[in-house]
Amino acid sequence: AIRMTQSPSSLSASTGDRVTITCRASQGISSYLAWYQQKPGKAPKLLIYAASTLQSGVPSRFSGSGSGTDFTLTISCLQSEDFATYYCQQYYSYPITFGQGTRLEIK
Amino acid sequence: QVQLQESGPGLVKPSQTLSLTCTVSGGSISSGSYYWSWIRQPAGKGLEWIGRIYTSGSTNYNPSLKSRVTISVDTSKNQFSLKLSSVTAADTAVYYCARDAGLQFYFDYWGQGTLVTVSS
Repeated sequence: AIRMTQSPSSLSASTGDRVTITCRASQGISSYLAWYQQKPGKAPKLLIYAASTLQSGVPSRFSGSGSGTDFTLTISCLQSEDFATYYCQQYYSYPITFGQGTRLEIK
Repeated sequence: QVQLQESGPGLVKPSQTLSLTCTVSGGSISSGSYYWSWIRQPAGKGLEWIGRIYTSGSTNYNPSLKSRVTISVDTSKNQFSLKLSSVTAADTAVYYCARDAGLQFYFDYWGQGTLVTVSS
């Protein structure tokens, strides 16, 4: 199985900050990568797919980039509602796998 | 707007079989080229994909769970189901059902999740 490693595992930031979360795949996955946001007690919400395509309805302050093994999720201007846990997911090969998550906390 | 809702027992005894159903509303489970998945998340931990099914009955399972998992679909009820046999405490988790677009195997619609605890 392809291992997905996110960094950092946790991150403290302030409203208005720009933050970047990294996801690294243990082997090349082309652009078959998605990003999700999860708030406590809620299901994950799809933010980005195909590494950089914004899901409908997701604010444009979210962006994704990368291909191959290295990917990033950037939030350009943090809002209060963005404090959550973020997961990457590869769908290049079975079994599909997720990163361990990055918890974004208020500083 | 597609909606998914998990249902089933919240408590299962060790060695027994966990059974959950996901009811899809707001659209036919058979429309489009969508697959229907089960994903779980132990408390405070990450997400694990369990398996998925197409409305033809074709399935894919995570090899780590394959020997214990069965996913089935009932198109007449717009439902799909999960059975996980020989459960242990390690199977305690929130179980989600979700939709993916087949070749584009990311999840655009999720159920709210249901907690299943394995305990005697």
